[in-house]
Amino acid sequence: GENVEQHPSTLSVQEGDSAVIKCTYSDSASNYFPWYKQELGKRPQLIIDIRSNVGEKKDQRIAVTLNKTAKHFSLHITETQPEDSAVYFCAASKVKSGGSNYKLTFGKGTLLTVNP
Amino acid sequence: DTAVSQTPKYLVTQMGNDKSIKCEQNLGHDTMYWYKQDSKKFLKIMFSYNNKELIINETVPNRFSPKSPDKAHLNLHINSLELGDSAVYFCASSLLLAGGPGEQFFGPGTRLTVL
Repeated sequence: GENVEQHPSTLSVQEGDSAVIKCTYSDSASNYFPWYKQELGKRPQLIIDIRSNVGEKKDQRIAVTLNKTAKHFSLHITETQPEDSAVYFCAASKVKSGGSNYKLTFGKGTLLTVNP
Repeated sequence: DTAVSQTPKYLVTQMGNDKSIKCEQNLGHDTMYWYKQDSKKFLKIMFSYNNKELIINETVPNRFSPKSPDKAHLNLHINSLELGDSAVYFCASSLLLAGGPGEQFFGPGTRLTVL
């Protein structure tokens, strides 16, 4: 099955700096790569996603890049703010034939701390 | 409006007991999931239902039995609770789009503590 590795497990940056979180996946058939943010005691929420027909996607201060050949994708947060502090999860999935049978395999998460 | 809701929010119980967690979504989604998040924050899928049909069962002990009475509800019943079942259980839902999977919306979680 799919295996998703995520690094680093913890990341501490100064407010205004950039943060980069990297993930690798094992199944070359995976075609959907979302990133979730989970604040302390809260539910995971999607912040950005990318599909395998796209190499890069940006949404304001957040961007995701995908390298299908190397099977890795990264989350980039620019101009970090204290409210960016949270656990970030990458995930990978594929749609099996038949359409409905897919699952998200999550990385182990990165605890990002943005220091004021 | 609550999109995905779960009850109860907290559950504290003794080893060996049986308990249930309920989940409801009002988003009109066709697929619902149960995830377990352990103390190290690792999120792992347990079950997935599409239109009330079980499509994913991730080698979860058969003490765990999901049930989907309709597309908007997915409940989780756990028999003979063990200490290792202590975790946060998240329900989620999504739509399967023509181009592939859509965003998964998570419920607020149920923190289960087994004493």
